Formats: sequence, structure tokens, C-alpha cells
Amino acid sequence: DAGVIQSPRHEVTEMGQEVTLRCKPISGHNSLFWYRQTMMRGLELLIYFNNNVPIDDSGMPEDRFSAKMPNASFSTLKIQPSEPRDSAVYFCASSTPQGTEAFFGQGTRLTVV
Amino acid sequence: AQKITQTQPGMFVQEKEAVTLDCTYDTSDPSYGLFWYKQPSSGEMIFLIYQGSYDQQNATEGRYSLNFQKARKSANLVISASQLGDSAMYFCAMREGQGGGFKTIFGAGTRLFVKA
Repeated sequence: DAGVIQSPRHEVTEMGQEVTLRCKPISGHNSLFWYRQTMMRGLELLIYFNNNVPIDDSGMPEDRFSAKMPNASFSTLKIQPSEPRDSAVYFCASSTPQGTEAFFGQGTRLTVV
Repeated sequence: AQKITQTQPGMFVQEKEAVTLDCTYDTSDPSYGLFWYKQPSSGEMIFLIYQGSYDQQNATEGRYSLNFQKARKSANLVISASQLGDSAMYFCAMREGQGGGFKTIFGAGTRLFVKA
């Protein structure tokens, strides 16, 4: 298996633009997590899905952030409009149904200028 | 509410020696899971080890072992025979509930430096 795949790896965008981050979880994993990592706040859980259903989005910072999981093999995290303070590394992770393993993608480094 | 505490911002260890990275957690749920991850300077998050709250034995994976003390709510990571490549950030994480579909949160991390 190729592991959790995120795209793009790097994104530089101007303030006000829409940004879409993509994630393909490991096949057979039924839980998917979106995290944001910054120096100031560490690793923050933004939202997670179980069987494609959003379970808890209390970590989503503002209405500018939205996430979808239309099927078991794909999820998106969208920021519209983006702001410089959204600059961070965004990780996607997926977990087995048993929950004994959870693997991360390589992350997307987002820079909003 | 869930809480994970890693009290050591940074640790030094001599190559080939063992090192313990501390992690304490707080939960009222009797069913939970504990994870450790390694994040090298390249930035990826590498899954190291998992311990379930009902597991009787401490988890081990190669040179990694998890010292699980349930009554003290601690889940320390022990790395034996440290190598230079072990220099990295290490994160402890906790998931409340049984199975994968539950919230998993992370501690602030400990940066480990292995000296030659």
C-alpha cells in the first residue's frame, strides 16, 4: 500500500484565494483525521470522519474552513478565503477500524502571503 | 475533556544509551488508546507504537517500548540503544473510545537529541 497520500505537498497562495487540500487514506481504513501543525499551537485536530461521516468538527477554526469526504478513498479540506495566519502544515491521517494503528500522510505545507 | 501532557520540551541522550520520554494523560473513559509518533526534521509523522487501555502487557516494537502505568495515567516511551537517527520530535497521543472512529489528540512533543 502506498500509505496516506496528500496533495499538493507545498502550496503558496495569495491572501483571499481559495485553497483545497486533498487526501487519499489507506485502503480499508475507515477513519480519517485532518490536523494542522504550527510552532505556536502544535498539532491541532481540525475534523475527523468515520465511515465518511464527519463526527467532530469542533476544531475547525472558522467558517472559512470546510471538509468533505465524498467516499471512502478521498477527502478534501478547503479554506476560502485564505489568510496569512492559515499558514501551517496540514496533515491527513487514517486509522484502522480497530484503532490500533493510525498513519499520517506527508503533509501539505501551506503558505499564504 | 481529553488532555495529554509531555513535560520535557527537550532531552539529550548519549548514543547507545536508553532514554525515557514522559507522557501523562487525563481521561474519564475506561476505554482508550495511546500512541507515540516520531517526527524527524524532514517533517513526516511516523507511527511508532500503540497501547490499548485494556492491554495487559506493555507494548513493544523493536527498540521501542511503552511503559504503561494505568493507575498513574502515564504512558512513557522507552527507546533502548539510542541511535543518531533517533534525533527527532516525539509526540504522545490519546484516543478515547474503542476502535478507530474516535477523537485523537496530541501532546506538545519532546525533542530528543542523540549525542555521538
